[in-house]
Amino acid sequence: GEDVEQSLFLSVREGDSSVINCTYTDSSSTYLYWYKQEPGAGLQLLTYIFSNMDMKQDQRLTVLLNKKDKHLSLRIADTQTGDSAIYFCAESIKSDMRFGAGTRLTVKP
Amino acid sequence: DAGVIQSPRHEVTEMGQEVTLRCKPISGHDYLFWYRQTMMRGLELLIYFNNNVPIDDSGMPEDRFSAKMPNASFSTLKIQPSEPRDSAVYFCASSLGQELEAFFGQGTRLTVV
Repeated sequence: GEDVEQSLFLSVREGDSSVINCTYTDSSSTYLYWYKQEPGAGLQLLTYIFSNMDMKQDQRLTVLLNKKDKHLSLRIADTQTGDSAIYFCAESIKSDMRFGAGTRLTVKP
Repeated sequence: DAGVIQSPRHEVTEMGQEVTLRCKPISGHDYLFWYRQTMMRGLELLIYFNNNVPIDDSGMPEDRFSAKMPNASFSTLKIQPSEPRDSAVYFCASSLGQELEAFFGQGTRLTVV
């Protein structure tokens, strides 16, 4: 298909790990991105991974890339209430950046 | 730089009226994107420009939608006539290159009644 797909909702308890999954479309995508949108705000780049990498870690964030399956995941360790937001997966295809619909992460105390 | 600036932040209009959304990209960025976000459909790319030239407008839903970029520092998205189903948050974003980080404005929340 032509869409970047991700589940719409995820709910976790504070302190647990969150894993947000995404499948993308184009094996030639050079970069894959995770954006975060907090309530009432625009999207902001959270992290990205170059397509020749399998994993990238940045403090509490771990990005895993499975190019064979075109699967991207974002793991947030020790999830906090401040992590509640919508998380968007995105891929770059030539000059076009395609976003998934976003996963709304709710963190319960 | 103040970032991508969109105006207005909120717009409420009656069905049938013309609506114009405005965007000022970050200075020096050569790509500009218009997105629409709804609960039902998520984030959708409407159109994007490179060096003020529209490159792909396949996401524009209907002829009622049009976008222009008369210069490197300004773009508009116009809906004429507006309909209630156009109610959404419209985001403008700009980037320095085709695969670099996109910087988003805060969005315009449009309500058509």
